[in-house]
Amino acid sequence: KQEVTQIPAALSVPEGENLVLNCSFTDSAIYNLQWFRQDPGKGLTSLLLIQSSQREQTSGRLNASLDKSSGRSTLYIAASQPGDSATYLCAVRETGRRALTFGSGTRLQVQP
Amino acid sequence: DGGITQSPKYLFRKEGQNVTLSCEQNLNHDAMYWYRQDPGQGLRLIYYSQIVNDFQKGDIAEGYSVSREKKESFPLTVTSAQKNPTAFYLCAASPDRVDYGYTFGSGTRLTVV
Repeated sequence: KQEVTQIPAALSVPEGENLVLNCSFTDSAIYNLQWFRQDPGKGLTSLLLIQSSQREQTSGRLNASLDKSSGRSTLYIAASQPGDSATYLCAVRETGRRALTFGSGTRLQVQP
Repeated sequence: DGGITQSPKYLFRKEGQNVTLSCEQNLNHDAMYWYRQDPGQGLRLIYYSQIVNDFQKGDIAEGYSVSREKKESFPLTVTSAQKNPTAFYLCAASPDRVDYGYTFGSGTRLTVV
């Protein structure tokens, strides 16, 4: 059964720092991996979708990498801002399964 | 604006009651999903539907029921058989293609009183 783990569970950094969030998954038979942002009490906002054939995707200050063979993805946030404070979730879409499997998330706080 | 609308935002249920959560989408996506989120945890799949009049159980379907009579709508009923229904419920949709991502609604918070 696919398991998705996110480390760390919580992270607090001063404004302006570059930071890396980690996501690992146990079964490399995936179609893609998606990173989401969730603000308190809100739904999920998609940040980046990275296909299994891709190594990375970029959107603004965000960069996601994928190493399918080792079962790892990272989300890099450059020059963090207080507005980046949220929970970040990664999810994989594995072959043979219609729905996403989620990690528990990393709660990020960026201090002004 | 294309998107997913969930209502109500907050819902209170008394013991023994059934309640229905609404999910409507105007994205013209074939597949729709219901997830449950508990504090500090990831999302767990309740039910999903790939096509009208068809749906499949997810990992935690006990105590829940769904219908898919229209492509745009996928309501979730939390029945009295669900012993611990207090949670945040999220609806999502995606094209029925494996290379596409998911779009989520804004969620419904259900509380048992």
